[in-house]
Amino acid sequence: GAVVSQHPSRVICKSGTSVKIECRSLDFQATTMFWYRQFPKQSLMLMATSNEGSKATYEQGVEKDKFLINHASLTLSTLTVTSAHPEDSSFYICSARPGTGPDTQYFGPGTRLTVL
Amino acid sequence: RKEVEQDPGPFNVPEGATVAFNCTYSNSASQSFFWYRQDCRKEPKLLMSVYSSGNEDGRFTAQLNRASQYISLLIRDSKLSDSATYLCVVNLPNTNAGKSTFGDGTTLTVKP
Repeated sequence: GAVVSQHPSRVICKSGTSVKIECRSLDFQATTMFWYRQFPKQSLMLMATSNEGSKATYEQGVEKDKFLINHASLTLSTLTVTSAHPEDSSFYICSARPGTGPDTQYFGPGTRLTVL
Repeated sequence: RKEVEQDPGPFNVPEGATVAFNCTYSNSASQSFFWYRQDCRKEPKLLMSVYSSGNEDGRFTAQLNRASQYISLLIRDSKLSDSATYLCVVNLPNTNAGKSTFGDGTTLTVKP
């Protein structure tokens, strides 16, 4: 149990395009999902907390107009990187926390974004 | 000072060795604690939760000392497959949105 999927796993796009990443909890309902970014040889950095049915809470320094988050259901959250630039190239990972039980997070497999 | 600090290593040990990782956290309100394992270019995977009473899962033992705000992970009889980066994760209470803070990770390489 506690499986989280993420799609796509890899994206290569031109500068200026927008990229949408989906995060799904497959066998549980997730009231809270988190979006992280990880640069090479660094730890995960929390970008935003996504709560079903409400606006996401962004961490300091993360532009909410650039990284659009939608948590439309208890099993799906999306992150859209708008007008992507090469400096946005990174490993984006989502995690989901079940609505009941321990506050363990389960991570998706990540999306590797390369902006040319 | 970082909220969660880990010794970055790298730890290079022979197969069969015992290795210990340490982690300290600064927020005394922290509520729950975990060790995750992350392989190169992959997502973190939960290794084990950490409790004050200590918990053991096979070759892995985790310990929490709330008074010292310190977490440890002990790996006995290291295997080649244990090579990975080990992340210490600390959760704030749900009143703080239950956010997780990650350490920078400790890299372990187990050699034949």
